[in-house]
Amino acid sequence: SQKIEQNSEALNIQEGKTATLTCNYTNYSPAYLQWYRQDPGRGPVFLLLIRENEKEKRKERLKVTFDTTLKQSLFHITASQPADSATYLCALPVSGSARQLTFGSGTQLTVLP
Amino acid sequence: KAGVTQTPRYLIKTRGQQVTLSCSPISGHRSVSWYQQTPGQGLQFLFEYFSETQRNKGNFPGRFSGRQFSNSRSEMNVSTLELGDSALYLCASSLGTGGEQYFGPGTRLTVT
Repeated sequence: SQKIEQNSEALNIQEGKTATLTCNYTNYSPAYLQWYRQDPGRGPVFLLLIRENEKEKRKERLKVTFDTTLKQSLFHITASQPADSATYLCALPVSGSARQLTFGSGTQLTVLP
Repeated sequence: KAGVTQTPRYLIKTRGQQVTLSCSPISGHRSVSWYQQTPGQGLQFLFEYFSETQRNKGNFPGRFSGRQFSNSRSEMNVSTLELGDSALYLCASSLGTGGEQYFGPGTRLTVT
């Protein structure tokens, strides 16, 4: 069965640095991959979607890469700020169902001032 | 455009009772998905409704059920509550074409 792994449960970085989060998946070839941000006690917020034929996507200080050979996505936040502190989740559509998402366990990012 | 709304926001129930949670999707969105989130299991998919029909179902017991109305609003029901059902229940709406989902603030259910 398909598996998603976000290989850091927690990541602490200094303000102004670039945060890099990793999402690996197995037994699957998804048509796209998504990243969400979740603050404590709140619902996830959609950030970016990258399709299998796209290598990289950017939105303001965010950048996502998608390597279908390595089965890996990297999520970068440049010039990080304390307000970026949150849990970041990657999500993939379940095989055979574009509308059913499987989420990784998330990486809790803390940006230190 | 108004976001996804969920009611109630907080709920305390006793083991054995049943509960109904409500979700109003973003206007124009026809797909509503429900998720359970716990510290130990993370975000787990319950089911998805599209055009009033359940299209996808996660690996949860039959005590968990749902429905969708003609205006795309959705409800989920949990019968015979167990302590382990304590969780944040999230609904998410989307256009239904695959792609990003927009989550509500969740309903925090505590079973005592």
